[in-house]
Amino acid sequence: DGGITQSPKYLFRKEGQNVTLSCEQNLNHDAMYWYRQDPGQGLRLIYYSQIVNDFQKGDIAEGYSVSREKKESFPLTVTSAQKNPTAFYLCASTVTRGRGTGELFFGEGSRLTVL
Amino acid sequence: AQRVTQPEKLLSVFKGAPVELKCNYSYSGSPELFWYVQYSRQRLQLLLRHISRESIKGFTADLNKGETSFHLKKPFAQEEDSAMYYCALERNAGGTSYGKLTFGQGTILTVHP
Repeated sequence: DGGITQSPKYLFRKEGQNVTLSCEQNLNHDAMYWYRQDPGQGLRLIYYSQIVNDFQKGDIAEGYSVSREKKESFPLTVTSAQKNPTAFYLCASTVTRGRGTGELFFGEGSRLTVL
Repeated sequence: AQRVTQPEKLLSVFKGAPVELKCNYSYSGSPELFWYVQYSRQRLQLLLRHISRESIKGFTADLNKGETSFHLKKPFAQEEDSAMYYCALERNAGGTSYGKLTFGQGTILTVHP
């Protein structure tokens, strides 16, 4: 079954702890993205990677880190430096065919709650 | 800086009525625009893209550069159209902009029977 798999679906964290959210895709897509979804704010880009071993900061990268060691995987670490980490996190991927033609494929999301 | 605004957080219509979800953008370059939809208990997915000039599930969206708008329209709403709708703008940054979307705040559409 092709697609994007995010895990865990729900995660609770104590303040001061780092947590890592997993994102795996078997669509053979080059580019992968992490978005954060907050009520009333839409989705905001955290990090993105268009090729293995390379990634770029998005609009709200502070307090987050990523890695892209394999094409299929793009884990996101929410560090203790992230001031307001409680949110819904969405991973997405796409084939980079050309501007305006791409379709983002999204995972089901991971809900992180900081206690 | 780019910005996408969806002025309506909630929109309610009755089945068979026309529906228009508003989207306005602010962008200095040439915009590429999309509508994404999230049905209940489903993933966020692409509904339509400006560049394709397509009609999907009866929805259309026309880019109006003069008004900087990309409103989503459907002449006769159905109950199954109830969902969260996001307007999104793709940035143009030297050919490396794919997937770098700026999303609006979203509009929850409810179609009543």
